[in-house]
Formats: sequence, C-alpha cells, structure tokens
Amino acid sequence: DAGVTQSPTHLIKTRGQQVTLRCSPKSGHDTVSWYQQALGQGPQFIFQYYEEEERQRGNFPDRFSGHQFPNYSSELNVNALLLGDSALYLCASSFGQPNYEQYFGPGTRLTVT
Amino acid sequence: AQSVTQLGSHVSVSEGALVLLRCNYSSSVPPYLFWYVQYPNQGLQLLLKYTTGATLVKGINGFEAEFKKSETSFHLTKPSAHMSDAAEYFCAVSEGNNDMRFGAGTRLTVKP
Repeated sequence: DAGVTQSPTHLIKTRGQQVTLRCSPKSGHDTVSWYQQALGQGPQFIFQYYEEEERQRGNFPDRFSGHQFPNYSSELNVNALLLGDSALYLCASSFGQPNYEQYFGPGTRLTVT
Repeated sequence: AQSVTQLGSHVSVSEGALVLLRCNYSSSVPPYLFWYVQYPNQGLQLLLKYTTGATLVKGINGFEAEFKKSETSFHLTKPSAHMSDAAEYFCAVSEGNNDMRFGAGTRLTVKP
C-alpha cells in the first residue's frame, strides 16, 4: 500500500514565477492538507481540502491556492513566488472530518532564487 | 488560537539514557495533542496522539507521553535512548477544527 506521495521532490524557481506541487493521498483517504515548513521551523498549516472544497485555511495569502480532484489527489499552486516561499512543502492525508491522524508525504523542497 | 511551545531546540542524551522532550500547549478548548518524528529528508511520522480518555499515551518505538491539563503539558519520554532515535521531534495541537499547530521542533542527538 503506497503511502502519501508528492511530486516533484525538488524544484528551483525564480522570483515572480508560478509553481504547482502535487500530492496523492494514502489509499482510502479523502482529505488532503498542505503545510509549509521553513528551514529550522515546524510545519505551518496552509489549507485543507475535503470533497474537492477548501475546508480550512491557515494564515497564508491568496497567492497560495489549491485544488482537489475527484480521485482525492491535490495540487498546491503558488503564484508570484517570493524568496520567502523557499521551504519544504508537506502534504498530509487523512480520512473523514474532523480528522486527527494525518499521514505525511516526504515533501517537495522548493527553492526560489 | 491554539499554540505549542517546545522547550529546548536541541537535546542530547547518551545511548541508554532517559529521553525527555518538553511540550507545553495553549488551547481554548480541550485539545488534541500529537507528537511527530521527522528523519532527515523525510516527512513526519506520527509517534502518538491524545484525543480523549487515558492521559498516559503509548506510541511507537517505546515512546510515551502524558497529558497534564493542570500544567498544559504533553511531554514525550522514552526510558532508554537508542541511536536510531536521533531525529527532529515535533509536538502539535489541534482544537478539532483541522487546523493543526506545530511547535518549532526539538532536535534529539544520541551519543554512543
């Protein structure tokens, strides 16, 4: 049983560009949450998707948007990249609402130059 | 909003010694509390969680944590450290609204 998978593993972008990160949840899970983990920090909640809708959002600007597909996979989009967006982006999946046991993927390391 | 403070960004213990990682939380409602471990270049793995019921929670790899409401704490312990325990540990709190807040993490080093 595959766990949570994320792609790509690493990504380098230039300031002002746009980026799309992808996440496939663990089999049987229907909820996907995205987190940003800056170097030396704990993960910060960006938003959560359930039933193809954004259910909860953290304190992130509108430059961060997402989508969930009918197969429960999800995308995180970041527009107008800033140097400060450089971080490890983690996807976590879970089942049902509310959910307490989240399974994390390995993350996508985004570097903005 | 809920928050977590992890006391000590770095903890170093000898192999076989007691591991104690400290976590204090703030929450306006009865919290749900978690400990995650992160190995280099990997995602987070759930060690244990407290939702309701017994305040002493046992997790994987011999770790356990005790929810103390009066002290707003959820410290993680392991009686005997192993070299493989060296990693980053994160405490997290949720108020059941899907918004999980993490601490800044504690890096555990285990000396031979």
